[in-house]
Amino acid sequence: EAQVTQNPRYLITVTGKKLTVTCSQNMNHEYMSWYRQDPGLGLRQIYYSMNVEVTDKGDVPEGYKVSRKEKRNFPLILESPSPNQTSLYFCASSVYGGNTGELFFGEGSRLTVL
Amino acid sequence: RKEVEQDPGPFNVPEGATVAFNCTYSNSASQSFFWYRQDCRKEPKLLMSVYSSGNEDGRFTAQLNRASQYISLLIRDSKLSDSATYLCVVNEMNYGGSQGNLIFGKGTKLSVKP
Repeated sequence: EAQVTQNPRYLITVTGKKLTVTCSQNMNHEYMSWYRQDPGLGLRQIYYSMNVEVTDKGDVPEGYKVSRKEKRNFPLILESPSPNQTSLYFCASSVYGGNTGELFFGEGSRLTVL
Repeated sequence: RKEVEQDPGPFNVPEGATVAFNCTYSNSASQSFFWYRQDCRKEPKLLMSVYSSGNEDGRFTAQLNRASQYISLLIRDSKLSDSATYLCVVNEMNYGGSQGNLIFGKGTKLSVKP
């Protein structure tokens, strides 16, 4: 089954404790992206990757890191989480990027930072 | 920063009603337009692309007005299962004409009542 898989789905952590949210897609997509979604603010892009070893900042990259060592994986790293990073995070992938339209999203990771 | 604006709603309508959502975008060079649907606490999913000549998919009709930079979604004969948030999505063209990322509106919430 074609899918984007994120883990963990739910996480409660404390300020400053490094964490990684994994994202994996099995569709051989070149483009992958991370979003956060907050009430009243909609979906905001954190980082994206057009292909392996190619990553770029989105609208809200501060406090996050990513890597794209393999085509299928695009982990999101919070080196020192803070309460303002409490949010619902979505990973997404598509064949070539923004112009194709159909982004496939993971089910989301709900992160709470205390 | 290029913007995509939507009326946040909520739109509360009875079953069987016709409802229309509007969306405006600020980047006149944008080439690709889409409507996504997001159910409560779920990931967004592509509902339909929006073509220049307008397009229809069952009870759903999408229209594009490039001159006014305006996109619409019409839902006829609303069903209870149409209750969701509808996201307007526009491809962000980069300077130089290359395809950029997808920009999401904040969404319009629809609630269809019996």
